[in-house]
Amino acid sequence: GENVEQHPSTLSVQEGDSAVIKCTYSDSASNYFPWYKQELGKGPQLIIDIRSNVGEKKDQRIAVTLNKTAKHFSLHITETQPEDSAVYFCAATSTRGGGFKTIFGAGTRLFVKA
Amino acid sequence: DAGVIQSPRHEVTEMGQEVTLRCKPISGHDYLFWYRQTMMRGLELLIYFNNNVPIDDSGMPEDRFSAKMPNASFSTLKIQPSEPRDSAVYFCASRKNGANYGYTFGSGTRLTVV
Repeated sequence: GENVEQHPSTLSVQEGDSAVIKCTYSDSASNYFPWYKQELGKGPQLIIDIRSNVGEKKDQRIAVTLNKTAKHFSLHITETQPEDSAVYFCAATSTRGGGFKTIFGAGTRLFVKA
Repeated sequence: DAGVIQSPRHEVTEMGQEVTLRCKPISGHDYLFWYRQTMMRGLELLIYFNNNVPIDDSGMPEDRFSAKMPNASFSTLKIQPSEPRDSAVYFCASRKNGANYGYTFGSGTRLTVV
């Protein structure tokens, strides 16, 4: 079946450094790639997304890139801050056959050390 | 906007008992999703509705699980009988058709079956 692989599972960086999380998807019909941030005791929150007709998107300190040919997409966080510490999930959505199905990666636990 | 509202936040029940989880989506959202989150399996899609109609329930693990959406502002996920392996955090999410494809998640219900 369809799956999304996410790496690394844990990432520790020093405050101010950059963090990169990478994902690979299998369903070639996927056309939308959101990223979610989950803080302890809360539900995942959408932080940025990218559609399949766009290669890169940036929003302040976060950016996403998409390589549709290779089925790779990545999240980049620059100038990391302690409040960036959380679990980050990538996801791939397919609207094949008029449906709407989102598969999530396993998550990356990001620690930003002050 | 109160967001997606789930109740209860925590539920502890004995094996064999019936459990009902509740969700109120954001007003005007057309889609409602039920996800289960565990350490071992991550975020799994259980079922989703479009305009109150179940579209894909292939993720519902067993006949012990059932979900309903009697109207646009309310959905339930029921487990009967419950088993210890059902222990997880259950999230409800909603989204509006035609807009950003991203979801808004509720805060989740942490279910413990003893």
